[in-house]
Amino acid sequence: NAGVMQNPRHLVRRRGQEARLRCSPVKGHSHVYWYRQLPEEGLKFMVYLQKENIIDESGMPKERFSAEFPKEGPSILRIQQVVRGDSAAYFCASSPAGRRNTIYFGEGSWLTVV
Amino acid sequence: DQQVKQNSPSLSVQEGRISILNCDYTNSMFDYFLWYKKYPAEGPTFLISISSIKDKNEDGRFTVFLNKSAKHLSLHIVPSQPGDSAVYFCAASVGETSGSRLTFGEGTQLTVNP
Repeated sequence: NAGVMQNPRHLVRRRGQEARLRCSPVKGHSHVYWYRQLPEEGLKFMVYLQKENIIDESGMPKERFSAEFPKEGPSILRIQQVVRGDSAAYFCASSPAGRRNTIYFGEGSWLTVV
Repeated sequence: DQQVKQNSPSLSVQEGRISILNCDYTNSMFDYFLWYKKYPAEGPTFLISISSIKDKNEDGRFTVFLNKSAKHLSLHIVPSQPGDSAVYFCAASVGETSGSRLTFGEGTQLTVNP
């Protein structure tokens, strides 16, 4: 998986709490993506970021979800006031700039909302 | 609107035989296609890709075939090995460069029996 690091690997939250998922891309990769996999489904694109910029957030739910990729530090996917339907595996991926669109995934963060 | 479809949720093959995984797409703008392999509780791992200017790409035991007129691609694994048992995702994008969002199919669970 080319070194994309995600944490936590597993997160349990009660309904209404906040979930924060972190992703450190492969060293030298300037593009970060977040995908979500709901149970029994394929991966769905959520957001594409470059350093300090959200490039495409067309897959993000309109409310409660936000993402950032600051100049320093990991990318963060934040889910406020979680609901049971947010329970899923969240995968971060990264790629270098200007290369073929082959992205490398992290091992995922499994969010369970109870 | 499922633009990339993998109609077989599962496939079982004998070790040493050929595995053929199929994928259909509806968006004629897609011009770059990838296959990912995923083990339980891990992130997807890139396997092989193909650009729409080609109809075949081969890498070791893995070959991807693209039929643009039928909007169909397939992944051939030969010979199949027990370690190939995993979920295989087909993905497509508009544009080959980094940043083009990937649209995934639902996945096919491949089981290779010893």
